[in-house]
Amino acid sequence: DQQVKQNSPSLSVQEGRISILNCDYTNSMFDYFLWYKKYPAEGPTFLISISSIKDKNEDGRFTVFLNKSAKHLSLHIVPSQPGDSAVYFCAASGSRGSTGGFKTIFGAGTRLFVKA
Amino acid sequence: DAGVIQSPRHEVTEMGQEVTLRCKPISGHNSLFWYRQTMMRGLELLIYFNNNVPIDDSGMPEDRFSAKMPNASFSTLKIQPSEPRDSAVYFCASRVRGGGPDTQYFGPGTRLTVL
Repeated sequence: DQQVKQNSPSLSVQEGRISILNCDYTNSMFDYFLWYKKYPAEGPTFLISISSIKDKNEDGRFTVFLNKSAKHLSLHIVPSQPGDSAVYFCAASGSRGSTGGFKTIFGAGTRLFVKA
Repeated sequence: DAGVIQSPRHEVTEMGQEVTLRCKPISGHNSLFWYRQTMMRGLELLIYFNNNVPIDDSGMPEDRFSAKMPNASFSTLKIQPSEPRDSAVYFCASRVRGGGPDTQYFGPGTRLTVL
């Protein structure tokens, strides 16, 4: 049972246009959401995050939107650049257990192609 | 400043053989995670440690998989015996466990192929 779902395995966008990557989650206990970016032959790297007390977080060309009622978040990249071509993982986290350890659940990833 | 170090980067082995993957987390990080990436399931958390203690191993697929963290600077993931369906990229990640869900830093991964 996937708690974090990225239903689009791939997305192709023209350079300069907006890229919108979507993510849905099922567990209402998640209170922190992250996006990671992964290039081939490298490990994922942190991109941007959002706490459940917010509905938007912006960092340069990247903006994450959170809709808690719909259990949905999205990553917007504007304008898209060829260097943004990578796999993007959505992740969700929440406190777990008396140790306070945070377990992060990742989606399957969306491969973004930005065409020049 | 070295990031998370994983070895080997590539491993090709035959079914039934023992495989050991190694990870050195970032110095000062006290949480360590092992993930497996496949096309079908994306990034799956296998196990994670806080202060060298395994906290959650519910993602470990079978008894053939085991993980240890004998000290703060080293962890291993062992598969014995290995099977072709274990073929995947295995990532190690570490972070500082503070008051919130801090971001994780991933190693470059080990690509495992079991023939």
